[in-house]
Amino acid sequence: GAVVSQHPSRVICKSGTSVKIECRSLDFQATTMFWYRQFPKQSLMLMATSNEGSKATYEQGVEKDKFLINHASLTLSTLTVTSAHPEDSSFYICSAVILRDSDNEQFFGPGTRLTVL
Amino acid sequence: LAKTTQPISMDSYEGQEVNITCSHNNIATNDYITWYQQFPSQGPRFIIQGYKTKVTNEVASLFIPADRKSSTLSLPRVSLSDTAVYYCLVGEAGFQKLVFGTGTRLLVSP
Repeated sequence: GAVVSQHPSRVICKSGTSVKIECRSLDFQATTMFWYRQFPKQSLMLMATSNEGSKATYEQGVEKDKFLINHASLTLSTLTVTSAHPEDSSFYICSAVILRDSDNEQFFGPGTRLTVL
Repeated sequence: LAKTTQPISMDSYEGQEVNITCSHNNIATNDYITWYQQFPSQGPRFIIQGYKTKVTNEVASLFIPADRKSSTLSLPRVSLSDTAVYYCLVGEAGFQKLVFGTGTRLLVSP
């Protein structure tokens, strides 16, 4: 299947700093990527839809000024957690969609573990 | 997007068949049923997708009754490595926006 990578796999930062997480589709182009957040023992929560060349669409309750999303190319979307706080500590997962004539398929990245001290 | 209901957890032993049932009473005509598997600290992995009756691939089978208000993921002869969380999702085949439910935490013991 298609491969989606994330970088870094884990990051520890101090409170108040900003952290950038990259999501790449390695062997296909993705006009749409998604960002999820997952707290321990909980399900994935969709944060936003990232569309290449346009502004991201955020889910209700997700602060767009805090979680900046940029989808500058067909293979890269970035999520920047600005002014991070301990409550932002979570597992962040991206996914990318392959568009086909018959159906679409969504592939997930391995996730990024963010710890804010 | 149709809401799904699954058991929170299930226990099994190596070599047994495991059946996880998902309820989706509000499934729409154009909706498909998709199952994902997630290991700790990893992204979800696609297992199987179906619309009606039965679908089988190399890792699982998916049974969907005629009314399509539920579905059952069947894992034959599970091993310890099948310990994971299994998510049932419902949406159009072309659907992109996925809404994950609680999932079922499967624990396979020796």
